[in-house]
Amino acid sequence: GAVVSQHPSRVICKSGTSVKIECRSLDFQATTMFWYRQFPKKSLMLMATSNEGSKATYEQGVEKDKFLINHASLTLSTLTVTSAHPEDSSFYICSARDYRRYEQYFGPGTRLTVT
Amino acid sequence: GENVEQHPSTLSVQEGDSAVIKCTYSDSASNYFPWYKQELGKRPQLIIDIRSNVGEKKDQRIAVTLNKTAKHFSLHITETQPEDSAVYFCAAPYNTDKLIFGTGTRLQVFP
Repeated sequence: GAVVSQHPSRVICKSGTSVKIECRSLDFQATTMFWYRQFPKKSLMLMATSNEGSKATYEQGVEKDKFLINHASLTLSTLTVTSAHPEDSSFYICSARDYRRYEQYFGPGTRLTVT
Repeated sequence: GENVEQHPSTLSVQEGDSAVIKCTYSDSASNYFPWYKQELGKRPQLIIDIRSNVGEKKDQRIAVTLNKTAKHFSLHITETQPEDSAVYFCAAPYNTDKLIFGTGTRLQVFP
């Protein structure tokens, strides 16, 4: 149980294009999902909290117009990196929390490379 | 807000020895403390967690202790094996839902 999938696992895109990353909870309902960014050999940096049916809450310093988050159902949240630039290249990981429990479970991550 | 500090940043041990990683937190309202293991290029995996109503929890070779008064909690791994080598992160909650992560500890277990 508590499986979270993330797609795609890797993506390479050109500067100026947009990329959508999907995060799905496969065997539980997640009223809340979280999006993190991780730089090499660094910790997980929370970008935003995604709540089903409402607007995402962004952490300080994260541009909401650049990182669009949609949480349309209890099992799916999407992160769209708009007008990507090379500095957006990173490892993006989502996590999902079962609404009945404390635990958060992570997706496998998406490595984004912007050329 | 919540601030989580983690030490040490790197830890090398001989196979069979014990490893201890320590974290401190700042928000006295925090009541849930998970530990994650992350292997290179992979997702963080929840390995053990503790709630604030207990002081210690064990799962085979892994244990976590919590001192609410001092606001610190520790991960203990006994009889370490090479496959325990990874980066370990502690975390503490902020604003009920969010987890704030420590800076991570790179554990290397030498055979």
